[in-house]
Amino acid sequence: DTEVTQTPKHLVMGMTNKKSLKCEQHMGHRAMYWYKQKAKKPPELMFVYSYEKLSINESVPSRFSPECPNSSLLNLHLHALQPEDSALYLCAAGDRGLETQYFGPGTRLLVL
Amino acid sequence: GESVGLHLPTLSVQEGDNSIINCAYSNSASDYFIWYKQESGKGPQFIIDIRSNMDKRQGQRVTVLLNKTVKHLSLQIAATQPGDSAVYFCAENAMDSSYKLIFGSGTRLLVRP
Repeated sequence: DTEVTQTPKHLVMGMTNKKSLKCEQHMGHRAMYWYKQKAKKPPELMFVYSYEKLSINESVPSRFSPECPNSSLLNLHLHALQPEDSALYLCAAGDRGLETQYFGPGTRLLVL
Repeated sequence: GESVGLHLPTLSVQEGDNSIINCAYSNSASDYFIWYKQESGKGPQFIIDIRSNMDKRQGQRVTVLLNKTVKHLSLQIAATQPGDSAVYFCAENAMDSSYKLIFGSGTRLLVRP
């Protein structure tokens, strides 16, 4: 069982919609991550938060906006997405010193 | 991430046989490696890790081997079971201030009954 939870499991949105993905971890890890995964591909890093501050943005378009309200929560706000943004969005948590990242089950996003 | 084409390499094994999944990593300075298992519709699940000061590490039914000379990593699964069917990814730590994970392209393991 994963200790990283994500909601919703599935999301369908139009290109003019605004929606948010949510991630929660209860392991006390100080780093949290957003990844995007297309079919038959490995996860691709989008953002890293360390101690609730954004430390890495992998040149992600501004239509994706991350937010870390506290050490247990991570959000990804979506606005004006494109159909090619359809993918599995994964959240992960870890301690940078220990390096292992634990993934949530993901949100399957479909942009119409 | 790194990805190659639209087709995942596939390893097909008979139930009960041993499986060996291979991975070549890119950065000779990497000193931490992880194997993940990803079942259909789920997130990657941590299986086992190894640091570069080790050549071998064993878990329950799984063994990871590290050959730093040729930058090669392998995952051995003993007595493969149907529940082992999944895509397996290796990942290396970028070993810079980002602590990013760099994923391999993945291997699909199919277990024949």
